[in-house]
Amino acid sequence: EDQVTQSPEALRLQEGESSSLNCSYTVSGLRGLFWYRQDPGKGPEFLFTLYSAGEEKEKERLKATLTKKESFLHITAPKPEDSATYLCAVPGSGGSNYKLTFGKGTLLTVNP
Amino acid sequence: DTEVTQTPKHLVMGMTNKKSLKCEQHMGHRAMYWYKQKAKKPPELMFVYSYEKLSINESVPSRFSPECPNSSLLNLHLHALQPEDSALYLCASSRRQGAENTIYFGEGSWLTVV
Repeated sequence: EDQVTQSPEALRLQEGESSSLNCSYTVSGLRGLFWYRQDPGKGPEFLFTLYSAGEEKEKERLKATLTKKESFLHITAPKPEDSATYLCAVPGSGGSNYKLTFGKGTLLTVNP
Repeated sequence: DTEVTQTPKHLVMGMTNKKSLKCEQHMGHRAMYWYKQKAKKPPELMFVYSYEKLSINESVPSRFSPECPNSSLLNLHLHALQPEDSALYLCASSRRQGAENTIYFGEGSWLTVV
């Protein structure tokens, strides 16, 4: 069974305090790993797609990396506006390849 | 432009009402989705349309009825809902069906059933 586990469930940082979010996955034949940001009451906003181990992508203060078992979302010098829930997801394997399997998310709070 | 537009943003309906949620995208995507999200949970897939045809129904109760009038529009017709159906309903689209394609979500429609 495909599984995506995110840690920590919640993370509280001071502005400027860099950290990382983890997404570990178990899926047969990875065909991509997606990171989304979700603000309260809004739909998920696409951030990154990673397809192969060793791949890295950056956007402003965010950098996503991928290994064969997990992905990290590194946040450098975060600002309060980075506060959100960060979701990672992978395409299902086998007969479920049409849908995403999501982790439960990490709720990030950045205090000024 | 990676925009999926949903209306209305908020909807309150009684259990005997009939209402519809609407979704529009102009990215030329040929797969469109409805997801349901409860508080503090990840999104759950409800329906997939591929090239305007219903491709996947994740065993959703018949009180939810999807419709895809054309390649840019997706509707979700609601009838005789229950209070437990209250949730954020998300429309999404991707270039093609197949979850390896990046899926873009709209901002959602908040549904409250009273």
